[in-house]
Amino acid sequence: NAGVTQTPKFQVLKTGQSMTLQCAQDMNHEYMSWYRQDPGMGLRLIHYSVGAGITDQGEVPNGYNVSRSTTEDFPLRLLSAAPSQTSVYFCASSYSRLAGASVTDTQYFGPGTRLTVL
Amino acid sequence: RKEVEQDPGPFNVPEGATVAFNCTYSNSASQSFFWYRQDCRKEPKLLMSVYSSGNEDGRFTAQLNRASQYISLLIRDSKLSDSATYLCVVKGEVTGGGNKLTFGTGTQLKVEL
Repeated sequence: NAGVTQTPKFQVLKTGQSMTLQCAQDMNHEYMSWYRQDPGMGLRLIHYSVGAGITDQGEVPNGYNVSRSTTEDFPLRLLSAAPSQTSVYFCASSYSRLAGASVTDTQYFGPGTRLTVL
Repeated sequence: RKEVEQDPGPFNVPEGATVAFNCTYSNSASQSFFWYRQDCRKEPKLLMSVYSSGNEDGRFTAQLNRASQYISLLIRDSKLSDSATYLCVVKGEVTGGGNKLTFGTGTQLKVEL
């Protein structure tokens, strides 16, 4: 299994450009999510999905769109890039999708995409 | 107040030392607790879950104190390879399904010769 894969690894955009960060997992996980990590802020949830066709907003959704047409893929779209979106983006997946699930609901993270918006 | 708070460190310790990290959380309805490890410029990886009774995995011991709303991680006999950032992670009360986790900003550990 490849686990969680993300492309690209690095990206530089100009303000106003759009792009899609790709995320795929081959573990048949129902739950997938996108985080951004900034210095001193910890990982913050952008959007998440509990299954194909179902998405919801996280803590910092503005400026980002997601879709989940298959179990495997969960792309993140930046509609009009801004310097404030310069960050490291992590995609994650896990089995668990139910409230009160066991503590074994491990999140598996992809290697990250380092995005710079000029 | 942040939902999950950690001392950012860095904690600089000699090889072989014992080091402890604490983490406090604000939501008393939080359900599950974890420690993740993140190496420099890498993704976070689960180190261990934290159970109410406390749990141990080799040189690592995690404890949960629900009354005081804090979680601890103890590392014994530190190795150079333990150098990393340790993230405290709390799973909150979830409605409608999902697996929402709140991450602390991490505590940096540097183990030195």
